[in-house]
Amino acid sequence: DSGVTQTPKHLITATGQRVTLRCSPRSGDLSVYWYQQSLDQGLQFLIQYYNGEERAKGNILERFSAQQFPDLHSELNLSSLELGDSALYFCASSGGGMPYNEQFFGPGTRLTVL
Amino acid sequence: KNEVEQSPQNLTAQEGEFITINCSYSVGISALHWLQQHPGGGIVSLFMLSSGKKKHGRLIATINIQEKHSSLHITASHPRDSAVYICAVDGNQFYFGTGTSLTVIP
Repeated sequence: DSGVTQTPKHLITATGQRVTLRCSPRSGDLSVYWYQQSLDQGLQFLIQYYNGEERAKGNILERFSAQQFPDLHSELNLSSLELGDSALYFCASSGGGMPYNEQFFGPGTRLTVL
Repeated sequence: KNEVEQSPQNLTAQEGEFITINCSYSVGISALHWLQQHPGGGIVSLFMLSSGKKKHGRLIATINIQEKHSSLHITASHPRDSAVYICAVDGNQFYFGTGTSLTVIP
């Protein structure tokens, strides 16, 4: 158990809908990262937050947004869902804001868009 | 354009064999990570390297910053090592290799 929790574990929804994925980092970790893993694209970095502020941005679509709250949990919002958004979404946390800290991964949320 | 290249893509080994997985990258980095993903999907961080060599049990990771290359070695491989091993680099963002699927046969 990494200490990172993600909810829900599974999510099935329809095209055009909006969903929110939630991540609680390890106690004391200030950085949260979101990743998408699909069969055809592999693992892709979406976005990083550090202590409530956006720190780095990757291949995150405009239809996706994220935020980190004062209690350090984070939410990833996916809107206008398309079939291609079906994937595993991982959250990870680390102790510092610098980019070279070990990351601890949550179990992931499996999103299926029908 | 792939910022991170891993080889081999697939690897089958007999229990006890010495295994090497290679990772080459093309961007400037602060650190390189080796991750392990089991069939259930969970991801575990094995190593984070910015220089030199690290060892955890039967696993050894090395990095050559000048050559932009890293290797992950598994000594005395065991069936429980069967997993996908993923190389990732911290550049201006995170870049991932496509992974090496390792199967260790008893």
